[in-house]
Amino acid sequence: KAGVTQTPRYLIKTRGQQVTLSCSPISGHRSVSWYQQTPGQGLQFLFEYFSETQRNKGNFPGRFSGRQFSNSRSEMNVSTLELGDSALYLCASSLLPVYEQYFGPGTRLTVT
Amino acid sequence: GENVEQHPSTLSVQEGDSAVIKCTYSDSASNYFPWYKQELGKRPQLIIDIRSNVGEKKDQRIAVTLNKTAKHFSLHITETQPEDSAVYFCAASNTGNQFYFGTGTSLTVIP
Repeated sequence: KAGVTQTPRYLIKTRGQQVTLSCSPISGHRSVSWYQQTPGQGLQFLFEYFSETQRNKGNFPGRFSGRQFSNSRSEMNVSTLELGDSALYLCASSLLPVYEQYFGPGTRLTVT
Repeated sequence: GENVEQHPSTLSVQEGDSAVIKCTYSDSASNYFPWYKQELGKRPQLIIDIRSNVGEKKDQRIAVTLNKTAKHFSLHITETQPEDSAVYFCAASNTGNQFYFGTGTSLTVIP
């Protein structure tokens, strides 16, 4: 079975721009979660989607949003980018909520 | 919300020795506790997990123990090898599927 994939793998953006990241879960997995990983803050939960519905949201500003499609693929969007948004963005999929999560390779976002 | 604390932040052991990493959590509703290994430049990989109805789980050289009363769980790696060198993260989750991660332990196994 193919693993979780994320595109793009690397991205460089300028402050004030917006960005969209994509995540394709393992086939059959219906839950997708997004995390931000930085050296200082570790792994922080952004949000979780199940059956196209956002079930949980972490403590991030409204500039961070996401959605899930009927095929379980998910996108996250960050608007009005700030320097502090530079991070590795990881998505993880699981068959159902509170099942084992499997991570994608991440998208490395650099904001200049 | 949940708060997961992980100790130590760095750990060096001689090859063949054991390594123990400990995590505490605050929310008694948490019922699923996975451990992830992340090598440099790679994605976190699930290495073992435990649910709140079990006290201990073992998979070859890796074991996890859970003490629900004290709200702590630990990762034990025996007979460490250089390839065990990585950052290890613990996490806690409840039925809401919101995962809270510890800050990570950088494990170095010295040959």
